[in-house]
Parts: sequence; C-alpha cells; structure tokens
Amino acid sequence: NAGVTQTPKFQVLKTGQSMTLQCAQDMNHNSMYWYRQDPGMGLRLIYYSASEGTTDKGEVPNGYNVSRLNKREFSLRLESAAPSQTSVYFCASSEVGGVGTDTQYFGPGTRLTVL
Amino acid sequence: QKEVEQNSGPLSVPEGAIASLNCTYSDRGSQSFFWYRQYSGKSPELIMSIYSNGDKEDGRFTAQLNKASQYVSLLIRDSQPSDSATYLCAFKNYGGSQGNLIFGKGTKLSVKP
Repeated sequence: NAGVTQTPKFQVLKTGQSMTLQCAQDMNHNSMYWYRQDPGMGLRLIYYSASEGTTDKGEVPNGYNVSRLNKREFSLRLESAAPSQTSVYFCASSEVGGVGTDTQYFGPGTRLTVL
Repeated sequence: QKEVEQNSGPLSVPEGAIASLNCTYSDRGSQSFFWYRQYSGKSPELIMSIYSNGDKEDGRFTAQLNKASQYVSLLIRDSQPSDSATYLCAFKNYGGSQGNLIFGKGTKLSVKP
C-alpha cells in the first residue's frame, strides 16, 4: 500500500516549457487535491477533484490545468511555465465524507524550478 | 476570507519540556481541525484531528479546541529532538460549495537536546 505517489520528484524547466505532474493514490479515495507550498505562504490549493469526473478551482488556479484521469490518478499540467511557478507541489487525497471521515493524506511532493 | 493564524516561530524548547503550539481561525462555521507535522523537505503528515470542544489525547500529543474563542492548540509532552519540525494547523468548513482545508503558514519547533 503505497498511499499517494507523485512523479517526478524534481524537475527543472525553462520559462515557456510545459510539463505534467502525475499523482496516483491506492487508498480508493474519491477526492484528490493539488497544492503548492512556497516559503512564508503555507499550503495553497490549486485545484481539487471531489470525485471522478469533476474538477474545481482552488485558491491559485491561474497557469494550471488538471485532469482526473480515473479514480486513482489526478494530473497537474503547466502549459507555459513561469518563474513564479517555482514551488513545491503536493498532491493529496481523501475520502468523501462528513466530519471525522475525510482526512487528507499527502504525497511526497515535486520540487519544481522554473528558470 | 477564511484565515488561519499561527506564530511562525521558531519556538525553541529543551528536551523533555512541554511544547505549546497555538492557532486561531476566522471561520466560525468550521467543524474539523487538524494538526500536521512537516519535516524539512518532506510532506505534511497528520498528527491529530479534533472535532469537538475540549481535549483529545494521543500519546504525547494533546489537541485542545475552543470553538467559542476560535482557538485550537497542540501540546507536545516530553518533547524530543525528533519532534523538531514545522507544525501546520488546518480547518475545514463543510458548508458551501468549497469545503476544503485552509492551512496556516506553520510554526517551526526546535527541541534542543
């Protein structure tokens, strides 16, 4: 049981390049999330998918797109990378439920540098 | 705007002491509260969740929630150097269309041997 996995672990891009960050979970969770974490800014939600087939914007969606490929996989795409997108990206998943049933579990993160 | 306020620290305590981490939140409708621990270069991992007013204990960790004061805290008893990390407070409001976690910026804890 690997939990939440992310690839790649590290990536360096040049401004204007595109890339896709991959995330998969094996906990049979319905909900998946993408966050970015910057020094002094805490974790900020980029996009989330409450269930397979649905996606919604979070706090900082500009410059990103997502795809919920199936129940297990949720990818984040940067179409034209900018230096402001240099960050650590975390994927998370949770069950859908009420109070006490939807703890979020995080993947190991992708450290992205845009030059 | 939903916000979580945490003292960024660093909070330094000697080994064996009690570390007290505090968090206030702005959303009175919040129903779930979480403490995550994040080691440098690693991902957040859940330490405690609390949903009702009062105390919840798990080993050396105690979470305290006071919804009237919009305040949640985490006490770490018998602090160990291995507890040195950044602690993130988060809350969730299940009402509305976006019941997602709102995170604080974290408090960095340093436990000195």
